Amino acid sequence: KAGVTQTPRYLIKTRGQQVTLSCSPISGHRSVSWYQQTPGQGLQFLFEYFSETQRNKGNFPGRFSGRQFSNSRSEMNVSTLELGDSALYLCASSEGLAGGLGTQYFGPGTRLTVL
Amino acid sequence: DQQVKQNSPSLSVQEGRISILNCDYTNSMFDYFLWYKKYPAEGPTFLISISSIKDKNEDGRFTVFLNKSAKHLSLHIVPSQPGDSAVYFCAASEGWDTGNQFYFGTGTSLTVIP
Repeated sequence: KAGVTQTPRYLIKTRGQQVTLSCSPISGHRSVSWYQQTPGQGLQFLFEYFSETQRNKGNFPGRFSGRQFSNSRSEMNVSTLELGDSALYLCASSEGLAGGLGTQYFGPGTRLTVL
Repeated sequence: DQQVKQNSPSLSVQEGRISILNCDYTNSMFDYFLWYKKYPAEGPTFLISISSIKDKNEDGRFTVFLNKSAKHLSLHIVPSQPGDSAVYFCAASEGWDTGNQFYFGTGTSLTVIP
């Protein structure tokens, strides 16, 4: 099976712009979670989608939003970008909800740089 | 507020010796813990887990110890190999079967010196 794929791998934007990141989970996986990784904060949970519904949400402002399509692919959108949004954005897929059994599979991430 | 803390940003160990990576948490409701390993330019990969009903879980060279009273867990790698050089994240959750989110530490970068 192909792994989790994320596009694009690298992105450079300027403050105030918006960005959309894409994640394709492993075939058959219905859950997609998004994480932000920064050197100072480590991995921080953004949100999780399961069967097109947001199931969990981390402590991020409303500028961060997401959605999941019927084929389980997910997109994450960040509006009005700020310098502090520069980070590696990881998505992870799992068959069921992500809270159990450590069976999340991570993609390689999208490196977002905000200038 | 960081509920899961890895206070050592980096660790260097000689090949063949034991690597001990530590993780502390503040939420006493956490009852499921994971360790992830991350190589540069790759996403994290699941390494080993432990639930609060156990105090030790072993998988090959990797052993995780949980001390609930101290709210502390540790990952032991014996013997350490150069290929173990990576960033290690611990993560914790309340209720492994309820879909609750995981809280991650900031990671410890392990370097195994040949």
